[in-house]
Amino acid sequence: GQQLNQSPQSMFIQEGEDVSMNCTSSSIFNTWLWYKQDPGEGPVLLIALYKAGELTSNGRLTAQFGITRKDSFLNISASIPSDVGIYFCAGRVSPTSNSGYALNFGKGTSLLVTP
Amino acid sequence: EPEVTQTPSHQVTQMGQEVILRCVPISNHLYFYWYRQILGQKVEFLVSFYNNEISEKSEIFDDQFSVERPDGSNFTLKIRSTKLEDSAMYFCASRDRDRTYGYTFGSGTRLTVV
Repeated sequence: GQQLNQSPQSMFIQEGEDVSMNCTSSSIFNTWLWYKQDPGEGPVLLIALYKAGELTSNGRLTAQFGITRKDSFLNISASIPSDVGIYFCAGRVSPTSNSGYALNFGKGTSLLVTP
Repeated sequence: EPEVTQTPSHQVTQMGQEVILRCVPISNHLYFYWYRQILGQKVEFLVSFYNNEISEKSEIFDDQFSVERPDGSNFTLKIRSTKLEDSAMYFCASRDRDRTYGYTFGSGTRLTVV
């Protein structure tokens, strides 16, 4: 499958700081998603992006679908301790008619927030 | 909030044994998935299932894997002869028709092959 390069690999920040992470691909994607995974849990969808240039917010989270369709970023403003977790980008190229709409995931950004 | 339920939460098995991982998707969802995550690595797609058949599968999903929806509620992943490298978290997910990528993931089954 298409490789997604996610950076940074980990971040260690203080409560209240803003956070930015991004994801790039050598292939064009038509969908970008951002998930959060807490320890011992499955990924939870945070934001879904379906159009190049799209900028979408979900509370303190903002994500953008890059205009080249090969990248996306996620920003978290005013971080709090419960933001701790692993954040994954995921994407999909144009599915075929028989596609199961499978996702390709990045390797994740591990976020630690100190009070 | 509806949930995807997976059992068991942790399974230890000997190499060469068969294991069945069980999932109860959200009741009105039509599309079902299995993903796996080797410790410390990314989440990887295994298989998708719709209308009682596999709609897509990855290279990982070889002949030792199979999926089944034996009744109206359960969705299972069978690994016929487990290998050490099958040790991973296995996540089941489901979605409804209207949310193309709006998966709901279960909490996973941690499979340890010894």
